[in-house]
Amino acid sequence: GAVVSQHPSRVICKSGTSVKIECRSLDFQATTMFWYRQFPKQSLMLMATSNEGSKATYEQGVEKDKFLINHASLTLSTLTVTSAHPEDSSFYICSAKVAGGPEQYFGPGTRLTVT
Amino acid sequence: ILNVEQSPQSLHVQEGDSTNFTCSFPSSNFYALHWYRWETAKSPEALFVMTLNGDEKKKGRISATLNTKEGYSYLYIKGSQPEDSATYLCASYNNNDMRFGAGTRLTVKP
Repeated sequence: GAVVSQHPSRVICKSGTSVKIECRSLDFQATTMFWYRQFPKQSLMLMATSNEGSKATYEQGVEKDKFLINHASLTLSTLTVTSAHPEDSSFYICSAKVAGGPEQYFGPGTRLTVT
Repeated sequence: ILNVEQSPQSLHVQEGDSTNFTCSFPSSNFYALHWYRWETAKSPEALFVMTLNGDEKKKGRISATLNTKEGYSYLYIKGSQPEDSATYLCASYNNNDMRFGAGTRLTVKP
């Protein structure tokens, strides 16, 4: 079956540093990848839609200069949290849509802790 | 490293059929199990949060059960409707860490 991986699975960084999270579709090509954020005791929130070779589309209220998304290939999208602050601590989850099909699959998530 | 698995990966049923699918998760240091209903390019809709062994929750035609000792949860949909077509996602919260399953994609045919 289709597999989506995320790396790292958990990361701890200091306030003011930047962190890059990778989302990879391991055995299929994904023209579109989605990035979500999970706050404690809340539901998943869609942050942005990432299309291969074009700029990401951000949801209202999500700062595009803070959450940089790059989708350079059909199997890889990256989310960079720039100048991270403690309030950015959260779970970040991606999903990947199969090229030419409706199927989408979730990655296992990345836990970011900013100290 | 946690491993949350959902089965089947996809499911096609006829309108009116009842269906169920499974989420298995690590039973150690278990805290909570979340079920979401997710449509493409939208934020997933939270269905249930379950914490206690033996817990059963219901929302309309959808219900879920939880077995924390053996590490599984079932989601049931009674009398499926086309609007139930979506991906159903579970996530397990263990030892201050959260992991998502890959989802079960349900298609209900009229």
